[in-house]
This record gives sequence, C-alpha cells and structure tokens, in this order.
Amino acid sequence: GAGVSQSPSNKVTEKGKDVELRCDPISGHTALYWYRQSLGQGLEFLIYFQGNSAPDKSGLPSDRFSAERTGGSVSTLTIQRTQQEDSAVYLCASSRPPQGSQETQYFGPGTRLLVL
Amino acid sequence: GQQLNQSPQSMFIQEGEDVSMNCTSSSIFNTWLWYKQEPGEGPVLLIALYKAGELTSNGRLTAQFGITRKDSFLNISASIPSDVGIYFCAGSPYSGTYKYIFGTGTRLKVLA
Repeated sequence: GAGVSQSPSNKVTEKGKDVELRCDPISGHTALYWYRQSLGQGLEFLIYFQGNSAPDKSGLPSDRFSAERTGGSVSTLTIQRTQQEDSAVYLCASSRPPQGSQETQYFGPGTRLLVL
Repeated sequence: GQQLNQSPQSMFIQEGEDVSMNCTSSSIFNTWLWYKQEPGEGPVLLIALYKAGELTSNGRLTAQFGITRKDSFLNISASIPSDVGIYFCAGSPYSGTYKYIFGTGTRLKVLA
C-alpha cells in the first residue's frame, strides 16, 4: 500500500491476556519504529529496527513487551499478560534508509488498545 | 520517559486568527520537528528544522529553530477549520538520529 498500515485498528482485551499488534511499513523502508501514545501524552519511543542490525529495545517499558520484524518488513509488537496501564494507542512508523541527518518517519494510523 | 514542555496545551480560536505554539527543552537540540495528528490518524510531519535560527514555511505554517537551540515555535496564519488537530513538537540532541523526544501536544480547535 501507499502508507504504513496497522492492524487491528482497535483491540479490547481482558487484563492478563496477550495481544499482538501488526505493522506493515512502506515498501522499501528499512527502518521501523514503535511508539506508545497514552491519553493526553506525547509519543513514547518503544523500539527501533534498522535493516539487519540489532534492534534498539531501550524504550520497551517491561519484559512483557517484545517486538519482532520478519524479513525486514512486517513487524509484530507483542504484549504479554496485559495490564490496564497498557491501554494506549500504539503507533508504528517507517522511514527510508538513512540519508544524512534527514530521515522522515511516516506513521500508521495506530492500534487503540483497551485493557479491561 | 523525558518529554518536552509544549504550550499551550489547548487552544480555541476563531477562524481566520493566527496561532502560535512553542516547545522548550532543558538541553540543546540539533533537530526540531513539528507534526500534526488528526483524530484516528497517526502524526504527519509538517516541518523539520536542522539549524539554529532556521525559519521554514510550509504554506500557512511557519516554524523556527530557536537561536538558543532549546526551543522552537510553530505559527499558523489565518486558521481554517481543517487546522483542527493535535500539534506535536519533537526534538533530538543528536544529529542523524532516529530517537526523538516528543512534546505532549497542543490541541487546536477552530471555531467557524
């Protein structure tokens, strides 16, 4: 597709269940990012993938959060044993290979997660 | 995580008015970005700034990289109803980085 796509668009789950969120980046974009946006807050960096390099996981809030990127394209963010404080919008973004200092990130529409 | 101070938090303005918002950081930044997010969508990049003092326009939008490198401003002239949304600043103390610190957003509502 023309832009970054994410699925599902909305997810309601019960506390303690696991969830998987999917991101399809723009074709040809080697960098992929996950962010979390809580109500009334800015974007919180979670994880960054660049090509075949080891991902930067420094933003993941706990070991319940993990992410994979298969074949350098699609990425899945997994949250295990969800807690109510995990409720947020999870945004994915992708960008082209680094070109100097300019690497514009293109965002998907997000997945709205509600943990009951 | 660390966040920028962005103000105002929200604005209600009349159509045709000009809008100003700003972000400040406690540390020096090398890059400032301004995004707009509409309901149900992800943020869209409006303007990117890479040099202190830089003034860049995108249609009715103008953004400046503060000379102290600790702040940035976004102005919208002659607002229209479709300007409604949340405007985020983002910055980084590093060049060529992928990790940005985001502000908490300015929620703009335009009254026709």
